[in-house]
Amino acid sequence: QVQLQESGPGLVKPSETLSLTCAVSGYSISSAYYWGWIRQPPGKGLEWIGSMYHSGATYNNPSLKSRVTISEDTSKNQISLKLSSVTAADTAVYYCAKGTTQGPFDYWGQGALVTVSS
Amino acid sequence: QSVLTQPPSVSGAPGQRVTISCTGRSSNIGAGFAVHWYQQLPGSAPKLLISGNSNRPSGVPDRFSGSKSGTSASLAITGLQAEDEADYYCQSYDSSLSGVVFGGGTKLTVL
Repeated sequence: QVQLQESGPGLVKPSETLSLTCAVSGYSISSAYYWGWIRQPPGKGLEWIGSMYHSGATYNNPSLKSRVTISEDTSKNQISLKLSSVTAADTAVYYCAKGTTQGPFDYWGQGALVTVSS
Repeated sequence: QSVLTQPPSVSGAPGQRVTISCTGRSSNIGAGFAVHWYQQLPGSAPKLLISGNSNRPSGVPDRFSGSKSGTSASLAITGLQAEDEADYYCQSYDSSLSGVVFGGGTKLTVL
């Protein structure tokens, strides 16, 4: 059974960089599939942030432009998200998920709430 | 404003049938990209409900079904139960945006 667990600071100051890690168990991230990040602002809908292929190739939501960096640590079986220059609009629950190029995302982490505030 | 359009809310009485629509355009659903549906119970992460337009993952009751036609897709829930009260999201891929897109979500209320 694939399990995903997000972790990271729950509070980030405006203009700083949000950093989250997703620990994957039950499956090697270097074997196959895409590993994605999706976020959900409080009381709002889901927004895809970006995805990484098991080879290390990434593709991101154009609306987030160059603020997003997704990387992997195969030795720890983890994927990471960095979102730079954050504002209050980046306050959300951040999910990591296992999926394919175009979806679906079949396994999700429980989510990590990140608040952007000074 | 979401690329895929869903009604904000739907409701139905226990035992009834409800449908949730998901309207896209020629660069996503209309281009032939598959539609997937997720159920999000209050306080929980989304759960895959329907994949590839109409396929139910193991463990999903057959009360849930999906369909797709043209630039739209639908999720149908029959024999509505109180435990079905949740938010439902559709998801596809958009070739002009080169990325995954979600609908705005639909809140299902069981009366």
